[in-house]
Amino acid sequence: EAQVTQNPRYLITVTGKKLTVTCSQNMNHEYMSWYRQDPGLGLRQIYYSMNVEVTDKGDVPEGYKVSRKEKRNFPLILESPSPNQTSLYFCASSLSLEGHGYTFGSGTRLTVV
Amino acid sequence: KQEVTQIPAALSVPEGENLVLNCSFTDSAIYNLQWFRQDPGKGLTSLLLIQSSQREQTSGRLNASLDKSSGRSTLYIAASQPGDSATYLCAVRRGADGLTFGKGTHLIIQP
Repeated sequence: EAQVTQNPRYLITVTGKKLTVTCSQNMNHEYMSWYRQDPGLGLRQIYYSMNVEVTDKGDVPEGYKVSRKEKRNFPLILESPSPNQTSLYFCASSLSLEGHGYTFGSGTRLTVV
Repeated sequence: KQEVTQIPAALSVPEGENLVLNCSFTDSAIYNLQWFRQDPGKGLTSLLLIQSSQREQTSGRLNASLDKSSGRSTLYIAASQPGDSATYLCAVRRGADGLTFGKGTHLIIQP
């Protein structure tokens, strides 16, 4: 089944403890993105990638890192999580710039205490 | 910077009504526009994708239109059902940098 898989689905962690949220797609998509969703603020893009080894900042990149060493994987790294990073996170991918939309993962609900 | 606005923010209607959700965007230089559905605490399900060269797309009871020059899109839902209750999100793709989302319309269909 064609899909975007995120892990974990739920995560509770403590301030300052490094964590990684994994994202993998099996559709050979070029474009991948990370978003966070917060009440009243909607979905905002954190980072995006146009291909392997090509990543760039979105609207809210502070406190996050990403890597794209393989086409299928796009992990989101929080080096020192803080409570203001408590949010619902989504990974998404798209085959091409024109002609194709984005497919989203099921989300990761992160709580930082 | 692209901004996307959705009106109304919330809508509650009786079952069976036809309804229209509105989306507007400030920069008309887009590749496509995508409508999503999101159930509480869940992921995003793509409903319709409209390319910049298209005027509308249909899927079952859903019809989405796009007027790129005026920066507007509408999502028409025919014969609404309680199962249509969800938040509907509009997102535009300006380029390689992903999607810009509106804040959504929270829809409740009363049985």
